Amino acid sequence: SAVISQKPSRDICQRGTSLTIQCQVDSQVTMMFWYRQQPGQSLTLIATANQGSEATYESGFVIDKFPISRPNLTFSTLTVSNMSPEDSSIYLCSVETGTGANVLTFGAGSRLTVL
Amino acid sequence: QKEVEQDPGPLSVPEGAIVSLNCTYSNSAFQYFMWYRQYSRKGPELLMYTYSSGNKEDGRFTAQVDKSSKYISLFIRDSQPSDSATYLCAMSRTKAAGNKLTFGGGTRVLVKP
Repeated sequence: SAVISQKPSRDICQRGTSLTIQCQVDSQVTMMFWYRQQPGQSLTLIATANQGSEATYESGFVIDKFPISRPNLTFSTLTVSNMSPEDSSIYLCSVETGTGANVLTFGAGSRLTVL
Repeated sequence: QKEVEQDPGPLSVPEGAIVSLNCTYSNSAFQYFMWYRQYSRKGPELLMYTYSSGNKEDGRFTAQVDKSSKYISLFIRDSQPSDSATYLCAMSRTKAAGNKLTFGGGTRVLVKP
């Protein structure tokens, strides 16, 4: 299955700033998925990123807050904009594996703390 | 009400015991069911994948699906300290590429030596 690298692994940020998370996959993939995992909560899909088109956002998530780039088939970025303490969370990048559609491989996640 | 409910635990068991985990769901359209294991500071990794009702066994792990009751289970036999992790159930309506998964909140398991 694919190997996913995420950067940064963790960061502490100030309220009102923005942070960009990078996701690199070791193989070409059509779709990349960004999830949020808040403390004690389930994984929630933020958006699906396709190369060459706008990302598709889930209900409750907007492009102005979570802009996504997908410049090629192995790389994507998620920016968390104008952060508040409520954005403190783990952000995970994932792709569908070769074992079957809708089975996901995840990166290790980026743990953000907003003060 | 959440679409998928999962007891957060923590569930603490002695080494060698059977670990029993479960999820209930409300959407009868779910057909594909997965269990992911997540170690601390790591991303979730797929443990078991099943379709529709029935049982599936893989080594020490058994997954059960009861669609009539909207209830899925994961059993871990002969549990080891290395099984200490958070276990998340996930489910989807189809296996089409890009189909959204719905996750439970995860159950934290601690296996004590």
